[in-house]
Amino acid sequence: GAVVSQHPSRVICKSGTSVKIECRSLDFQATTMFWYRQFPKQSLMLMATSNEGSKATYEQGVEKDKFLINHASLTLSTLTVTSAHPEDSSFYICSASPPGQGFEKLFFGSGTQLSVL
Amino acid sequence: SQKIEQNSEALNIQEGKTATLTCNYTNYSPAYLQWYRQDPGRGPVFLLLIRENEKEKRKERLKVTFDTTLKQSLFHITASQPADSATYLCALPGGSTGRRALTFGSGTRLQVQP
Repeated sequence: GAVVSQHPSRVICKSGTSVKIECRSLDFQATTMFWYRQFPKQSLMLMATSNEGSKATYEQGVEKDKFLINHASLTLSTLTVTSAHPEDSSFYICSASPPGQGFEKLFFGSGTQLSVL
Repeated sequence: SQKIEQNSEALNIQEGKTATLTCNYTNYSPAYLQWYRQDPGRGPVFLLLIRENEKEKRKERLKVTFDTTLKQSLFHITASQPADSATYLCALPGGSTGRRALTFGSGTRLQVQP
């Protein structure tokens, strides 16, 4: 099956710093990737849709200046949490769907656990 | 607004029994519904997709039903094993900004006792 790689798996940072999370599709090209956030014992919440070569589409309530998304190539999307605060501590997960599947089957990265001190 | 409900209480069953998980939704007319498995600290893994015109779908020990009138899907694991212990998520197509992403239920944690 398709593989989506996410890095880092865990990051601890000080409040006010920025953190970059990478999401790569290893064996397929992804013009679209999705970024989700998950708080403990809660469901995945869609944050934004990352589009290769164009601006990301953010879900209602998600600050685009806070969560910067860059999808500069067909295999890489990055999420940068700017000026992170403790309330940004969460599990961030990216996903993508191989072309031709109509987004009917998503493959997820292994997630990034962000802890902001 | 769109809403997906799964039983938030953990389901504890004995090994060998059939586990049945429920997913109910409102304000949706989805073309399909999906089930994913998520282990702690990991991303979800796709299990099954069932379309609106399908009543039932099977894959090995897994069975999914889809009742578009009741707006409900049931997910069954037969002959359950301790390795089946995980959180199972129901998902429907569509986020608030588009229909390509998935919206997930809160998941039901399954614990299979040996």
